[in-house]
Amino acid sequence: EPEVTQTPSHQVTQMGQEVILRCVPISNHLYFYWYRQILGQKVEFLVSFYNNEISEKSEIFDDQFSVERPDGSNFTLKIRSTKLEDSAMYFCASSEGQGIHGYTFGSGTRLTVV
Amino acid sequence: EDQVTQSPEALRLQEGESSSLNCSYTVSGLRGLFWYRQDPGKGPEFLFTLYSAGEEKEKERLKATLTKKESFLHITAPKPEDSATYLCAVPPNTDKLIFGTGTRLQVFP
Repeated sequence: EPEVTQTPSHQVTQMGQEVILRCVPISNHLYFYWYRQILGQKVEFLVSFYNNEISEKSEIFDDQFSVERPDGSNFTLKIRSTKLEDSAMYFCASSEGQGIHGYTFGSGTRLTVV
Repeated sequence: EDQVTQSPEALRLQEGESSSLNCSYTVSGLRGLFWYRQDPGKGPEFLFTLYSAGEEKEKERLKATLTKKESFLHITAPKPEDSATYLCAVPPNTDKLIFGTGTRLQVFP
């Protein structure tokens, strides 16, 4: 069964450093998303991406965050200057059509900022 | 404000003891309701989408139902491998999903 692949599975970084989280969505999917889940809290929407541009972003997704689809297979989330409160699981998701028909999530990247 | 509330927060069942999880929602216009399963340290795994009141869907020991204000996930004769957190989510008037906090289910042999 096709799956969304995320790397790395766990990343530890120092506060203030830049990190790039990587995702390979399902190959025929056109809509891409990033969500995060702080330990013990809800899964929260960060950003959606379609046709090479951001279609929607949440209040969490401020200027320190950016997304990119650098080639035909990868989808990345960059955090420019990490803060302690950025520590969370980050999930990439993709869907063939618009998300109302269901997403497929990756297994996540656990980001720990020290 | 669009909101999703799940109850109970945690549920402990004996193997074979059937029960139901609740998801209540307030959204401006329901375009679907999703149930996901999440294992520790993993991403949400899609279970069901329900689109209209009265709709029901089944998968193995799970059955999801939808009314105008809430959804139920019924678990019949659960097994230990059904232990997980079950998440409910709705897309309001956009493409994003709003998740509830989940119900953490533990099934003991």
